[in-house]
Amino acid sequence: EADIYQTPRYLVIGTGKKITLECSQTMGHDKMYWYQQDPGMELHLIHYSYGVNSTEKGDLSSESTVSRIRTEHFPLTLESARPSHTSQYLCASSVPREPYEQYFGPGTRLTVT
Amino acid sequence: GQNIDQPTEMTATEGAIVQINCTYQTSGFNGLFWYQQHAGEAPTFLSYNVLDGLEEKGRFSSFLSRSKGYSYLLLKELQMKDSASYLCAVIEGDYKLSFGAGTTVTVRA
Repeated sequence: EADIYQTPRYLVIGTGKKITLECSQTMGHDKMYWYQQDPGMELHLIHYSYGVNSTEKGDLSSESTVSRIRTEHFPLTLESARPSHTSQYLCASSVPREPYEQYFGPGTRLTVT
Repeated sequence: GQNIDQPTEMTATEGAIVQINCTYQTSGFNGLFWYQQHAGEAPTFLSYNVLDGLEEKGRFSSFLSRSKGYSYLLLKELQMKDSASYLCAVIEGDYKLSFGAGTTVTVRA
């Protein structure tokens, strides 16, 4: 059973607000990831981290930013939310050995009005 | 980058077998995963193939042919709880996953 948590699970917020989506894991995994998924669509990697103080942008351009100050914590921030940011955001971490499978958190469903 | 294709939807009867195909084109290949995702939930890991051949895990089996850029997930003895989306994902050398759009499997009684 993977121990990866995301808060909030659901968020409805107005345009222009700053928001931070929290992701924490208690497995000591170095590699962590943020994905964005629209209903019925594929997951797109928007950010990843290989460890503390390491962050990289993913394949899908995103206006969000991330930080990795502690191994267990990988928050995602939107400085000014817009309706186009409405989506599901999934956080994941991967085991440090083959097959390096990724474990996903429950997700945050964000709606920007 | 990756180009991953899988059928959008499949329907089968309880107790039957369903095979979900996945084709991929990749500039680097370090393995292929299958994940299951129930509606509104996070994906959960099902299987991993890095060498050619069949990997069997209970009612689920996954096959890989690297030369053909092809994989399939076989679900046997279908149960109602198997109704979900099944995601094919390819991992590149630096351990980033690229996902297909998923195949929604509907199991009917």
